[in-house]
Amino acid sequence: NAGVTQTPKFQVLKTGQSMTLQCAQDMNHNSMYWYRQDPGMGLRLIYYSASEGTTDKGEVPNGYNVSRLNKREFSLRLESAAPSQTSVYFCASNVPSNQPQHFGDGTRLSIL
Amino acid sequence: AQTVTQSQPEMSVQEAETVTLSCTYDTSESNYYLFWYKQPPSRQMILVIRQEAYKQQNATENRFSVNFQKAAKSFSLKISDSQLGDTAMYFCAFMNGSGNTGKLIFGQGTTLQVKP
Repeated sequence: NAGVTQTPKFQVLKTGQSMTLQCAQDMNHNSMYWYRQDPGMGLRLIYYSASEGTTDKGEVPNGYNVSRLNKREFSLRLESAAPSQTSVYFCASNVPSNQPQHFGDGTRLSIL
Repeated sequence: AQTVTQSQPEMSVQEAETVTLSCTYDTSESNYYLFWYKQPPSRQMILVIRQEAYKQQNATENRFSVNFQKAAKSFSLKISDSQLGDTAMYFCAFMNGSGNTGKLIFGQGTTLQVKP
């Protein structure tokens, strides 16, 4: 079982470039999430999708857009990358309300 | 707004000994869930243990147990018989049980090193 799959695992961008991070889950979960992890700050929620067709902002949405393509896939787009967006990005999914989230292996993104 | 605080950035313990990681949270909700996640150097996020706020009994999973003090809003993780494979960053996380969004709020993390 693949669980939550993120691509790519590593990426280096130049300031101003655009990029889409892909996430797919095969657990038939309704809810999906994008987090960023920075040193000393834990994981912070960027956007989430409680169900197919809906998306909502999290704690740090500025500079990002998301698309819930279908129940399986939830992508995160950086339209014009900035050095402040250098981080490790995690996608997660769960059945909402009280179940633990399952995480992908993360994407390390560096913006020069 | 809910917040989660882990006041110990780094800790170390000798192999086979017991260590306790601290976590406090702030919320006005009565229905919520608390989690501990482990992140080894491989970067994976692995669920360690889960606690429902409405349950008074502390959750346990093999060598891992929690001390859930609801009134004090404290949720510490105890690791017994520490093993080298327990070396990782540990995150405490809060989930509001109302609103049906399933979002997690994480603490800053505690890096645990188990020494041989």
